[in-house]
Amino acid sequence: AQTVTQSQPEMSVQEAETVTLSCTYDTSESNYYLFWYKQPPSRQMILVIRQEAYKQQNATENRFSVNFQKAAKSFSLKISDSQLGDTAMYFCAFMRPGYGGATNKLIFGTGTLLAVQP
Amino acid sequence: GAVVSQHPSWVICKSGTSVKIECRSLDFQATTMFWYRQFPKQSLMLMATSNEGSKATYEQGVEKDKFLINHASLTLSTLTVTSAHPEDSSFYICSARGPGRYFGPGTRLTVL
Repeated sequence: AQTVTQSQPEMSVQEAETVTLSCTYDTSESNYYLFWYKQPPSRQMILVIRQEAYKQQNATENRFSVNFQKAAKSFSLKISDSQLGDTAMYFCAFMRPGYGGATNKLIFGTGTLLAVQP
Repeated sequence: GAVVSQHPSWVICKSGTSVKIECRSLDFQATTMFWYRQFPKQSLMLMATSNEGSKATYEQGVEKDKFLINHASLTLSTLTVTSAHPEDSSFYICSARGPGRYFGPGTRLTVL
């Protein structure tokens, strides 16, 4: 079974600085998807970034980028120029692709609570 | 962008009553919807996967007779917590499978 581990329960960063959140996962699959979701105090889940395992290039979305190390099964999120609005719980998630119409589940890590300090 | 709504956003009920939570995909059709439960400061735990027109698939340990799921149309899935008890108090989130995976804003259930 696939598992997702986030070893940092809480982190803090000063506004405008850079912070990296860690995520490791375990799977025997060669093709899969990885995600970072943000859950602010409103508790609305927001997709931050997505990575396909077959793509070697690391995904980037504005101030958010990932370091995807497939062999090490590591998928860290880097937030540059941190803003107060980045304060949230961040969840790493894994999903197998659907084969033959199968719908596969998102498997979430335990989350990292990020506080951006002014 | 794709929007998923949930209703109600919060509900308080007495122990022993049933509560229904609706999840709607507003601008796309969702053949599959997912129901999650989240305790404070914890991760999302998948409860069940519902497919339009068929029975839901429940995760191990989730009581299907207690958490009734109906996915009667391509835009609506409902979760009914039957005979609710205080331990059922939690935050319930739905997610719809469309062009991507989209989450509703959640429903806070408090059982007195």
